[in-house]
Amino acid sequence: GENVEQHPSTLSVQEGDSAVIKCTYSDSASNYFPWYKQELGKGPQLIIDIRSNVGEKKDQRIAVTLNKTAKHFSLHITETQPEDSAVYFCAAVGGGGGNKLTFGTGTQLKVEL
Amino acid sequence: NAGVTQTPKFQVLKTGQSMTLQCAQDMNHEYMSWYRQDPGMGLRLIHYSVGAGITDQGEVPNGYNVSRSTTEDFPLRLLSAAPSQTSVYFCASSPRTGPYEQYFGPGTRLTVT
Repeated sequence: GENVEQHPSTLSVQEGDSAVIKCTYSDSASNYFPWYKQELGKGPQLIIDIRSNVGEKKDQRIAVTLNKTAKHFSLHITETQPEDSAVYFCAAVGGGGGNKLTFGTGTQLKVEL
Repeated sequence: NAGVTQTPKFQVLKTGQSMTLQCAQDMNHEYMSWYRQDPGMGLRLIHYSVGAGITDQGEVPNGYNVSRSTTEDFPLRLLSAAPSQTSVYFCASSPRTGPYEQYFGPGTRLTVT
């Protein structure tokens, strides 16, 4: 099955700086890569996603890049704000029917004033 | 729309007891899924359903049963609770035919003593 690794596990940045979270996946047939943000005590919320036929996608201050050859994808947050502090999860939908989403282990992002 | 709702929010069980975690969505989504979240392990797929009457196993299905008699409801049953099932459980649904753009519920925190 699919295996998704995520780094770093914790990330601390100053307000206004950029934050980058990286993930690798194992299944070369994977075709969908979402990123979820989870605030304390809540369920994960989709913030951006990318499909395997696209190399980069942006939505205001967040962007995701995908390198299919290297089997890795990254989340970029620019001009970080305190409300960006949360746990971020990457995930991938593998081949073999495409009905299962595999998550990374999460990154605790802290934006300091 | 209420989105994805889960009940109860908290539950304490004794080893060997059984119970059902409820999940409902009012968005007419075909795909629904159950995940468990444990510290340092991200979210792991327990079971999923691509439509009423159709269910399948995820990554960690042992000890859990599901059924999907209606589009709206997807209950998760713990047959004989064990301490290893202490976790936070999330239900999710998708407007697509697979785990794409999923909406997550607020979660159920389960403790098995």
